[in-house]
Amino acid sequence: EAGVTQSPTHLIKTRGQQVTLRCSPISGHTSVYWYQQALGLGLQFLLWYDEGEERNRGNFPPRFSGRQFPNYSSELNVNALELEDSALYLCASSVRDTSYEQYFGPGTRLTVT
Amino acid sequence: GQNIDQPTEMTATEGAIVQINCTYQTSGFNGLFWYQQHAGEAPTFLSYNVLDGLEEKGRFSSFLSRSKGYSYLLLKELQMKDSASYLCAVRESNYQLIWGAGTKLIIKP
Repeated sequence: EAGVTQSPTHLIKTRGQQVTLRCSPISGHTSVYWYQQALGLGLQFLLWYDEGEERNRGNFPPRFSGRQFPNYSSELNVNALELEDSALYLCASSVRDTSYEQYFGPGTRLTVT
Repeated sequence: GQNIDQPTEMTATEGAIVQINCTYQTSGFNGLFWYQQHAGEAPTFLSYNVLDGLEEKGRFSSFLSRSKGYSYLLLKELQMKDSASYLCAVRESNYQLIWGAGTKLIIKP
């Protein structure tokens, strides 16, 4: 069974630019979660999508947004990039109601210069 | 408010036992998780507690006391490969996970 996949693996952007990160959940999983992990820091919850709808969002500005597609894959968009957006962006998936475990993808390392 | 506290770093010796503590204050409680994260890699699931008591899984055990807002992860017979960060996370009533900053465990020979 394929795990959670994310693309791209690494990304370098300039301050002010926009970026789109992609995530494909494990087959059968309807929930997708996005997290930001700055170097040396803990996971910060960004967004939770389930069945195509945004269920919850963390304490991040509106320039962080995303969506979930009918096939349950998801995109995370970050507009007007700032230097402090440099981080590892992790996507996780789960079966919302019956499973307690989130399965993580390998992450996208974003560097903003 | 929401708060999860873990020690920032711990050091232990290969072959020994180490206990990593986690205390929490969250809005509702629907389970507590422990994840392991090696440097540069994604977190992987270790254990889940929703009822008070001890859950044992091989060399790893996790304990929960809901009344005290407290959990610990116990690692026995430490191996060098156990050097990693250990993340405590609490699932709130709305299914959202609140994560601690993680405990970096350093294993010395």
